[in-house]
Amino acid sequence: EAQLVESGGGLVQPGGSLRLSCAASGFIFSDYSMYWVRQAPGKGLEWVSYIGNDPSTIYYADSVKGRFTISRDNAKNSLSLQMNSLGVEDTAVYYCARDGSGWVIDQWGQGTLVSVSS
Amino acid sequence: DIQMTQSPSSLSASVGDRVTITCRASHDINNYLAWFQQKPGKAPKSLIHGASILHIGVASRFSGSGSGTDFTLTISSLQPEDVATYYCQQYKSYPLTFGGGTKVEIK
Repeated sequence: EAQLVESGGGLVQPGGSLRLSCAASGFIFSDYSMYWVRQAPGKGLEWVSYIGNDPSTIYYADSVKGRFTISRDNAKNSLSLQMNSLGVEDTAVYYCARDGSGWVIDQWGQGTLVSVSS
Repeated sequence: DIQMTQSPSSLSASVGDRVTITCRASHDINNYLAWFQQKPGKAPKSLIHGASILHIGVASRFSGSGSGTDFTLTISSLQPEDVATYYCQQYKSYPLTFGGGTKVEIK
């Protein structure tokens, strides 16, 4: 059974950095594109970033472009999100999600909470 | 960017009722429309893709319809375990965008 487990969340000061990780298991990770999606407290879902299974294709939401970097290590079945210049507006639960095919999200991780506060 | 608008933002219905949630896209998205269910305190769960195709394991009381700009999610007979917030999402083009959500409660 496919499983996605995020880690790396925590409390960080404005302007700080954090690196999130997502460990994938139960499927051939290198066959699938992946996403990061976030949810601010009490708010809806917001797409953050996409990386193709061949990591040459990467997209970012305008709200994070130039500050966040998505990457993957297919040998380690791992997805990452490097987040720099964090602001209070980046406070959210960050979910790792799998692209089943054709940009369809079919699996979600349990999420990791990022809190940006002084 | 394609804007997704859901209605209503919340609803309350009785067990066994038929429930319908509407999602409207600001541009034609063909059938590149997904629905997700998020129970309180939990991660989202994928319900439907391609506007009407249920993901494996999703209860058959859930159904989706529509094409172009107007879509619906229907729960044919509301059950207590369906209490959740439901989101639509377009994947016709980037940035991927979600509707604001519809909170479903039991009356």
